[in-house]
Amino acid sequence: AQRVTQPEKLLSVFKGAPVELKCNYSYSGSPELFWYVQYSRQRLQLLLRHISRESIKGFTADLNKGETSFHLKKPFAQEEDSAMYYCALTDQGGKLIFGQGTELSVKP
Amino acid sequence: DGGITQSPKYLFRKEGQNVTLSCEQNLNHDAMYWYRQDPGQGLRLIYYSQIVNDFQKGDIAEGYSVSREKKESFPLTVTSAQKNPTAFYLCASKTSGSFLNEQFFGPGTRLTVL
Repeated sequence: AQRVTQPEKLLSVFKGAPVELKCNYSYSGSPELFWYVQYSRQRLQLLLRHISRESIKGFTADLNKGETSFHLKKPFAQEEDSAMYYCALTDQGGKLIFGQGTELSVKP
Repeated sequence: DGGITQSPKYLFRKEGQNVTLSCEQNLNHDAMYWYRQDPGQGLRLIYYSQIVNDFQKGDIAEGYSVSREKKESFPLTVTSAQKNPTAFYLCASKTSGSFLNEQFFGPGTRLTVL
């Protein structure tokens, strides 16, 4: 079954500390993976996608097919990074399958 | 910012009533989606539509209904058969044929059953 798992409901770090939000998936075939972010009082928006291999707002994510993971990383967290983060994959029909979400809290 | 709009922002419903949530997009997207967002459960797909006059059930369609009479509009009706309708509802859209598969989301409607 296609599934996305984010094991941490809440991740709390101090400003300047490294952060890693974990995401594991199960999918038969080659998945297309995304990270979406929802800042307070803002709509859900795309942060990055694995096929672009880009760094957005200092965040990167590498697809590890062997470990079926797509962890989101940032070397130095900022207070404005505090938000809800969702990992998601697209199935063959184009539908998004979301993980449960991880709330990131960056403390000053 | 335009793109996808949802109305109303807040909606209160008495038990036994049907309510309709509006979703409109001016992005010329073919595909539209409805999700339900609950704390600790992420987003779950209710219904989706790949093209006008066609739609399919998602993972949690029971107690909901939709229509897609126009490309721009994809209203969701929460019926009295939905056992636990209090939630945050998100609408999204996507262009078909794009390999990027990015979905764009509306601001959401928070439905509370009194």
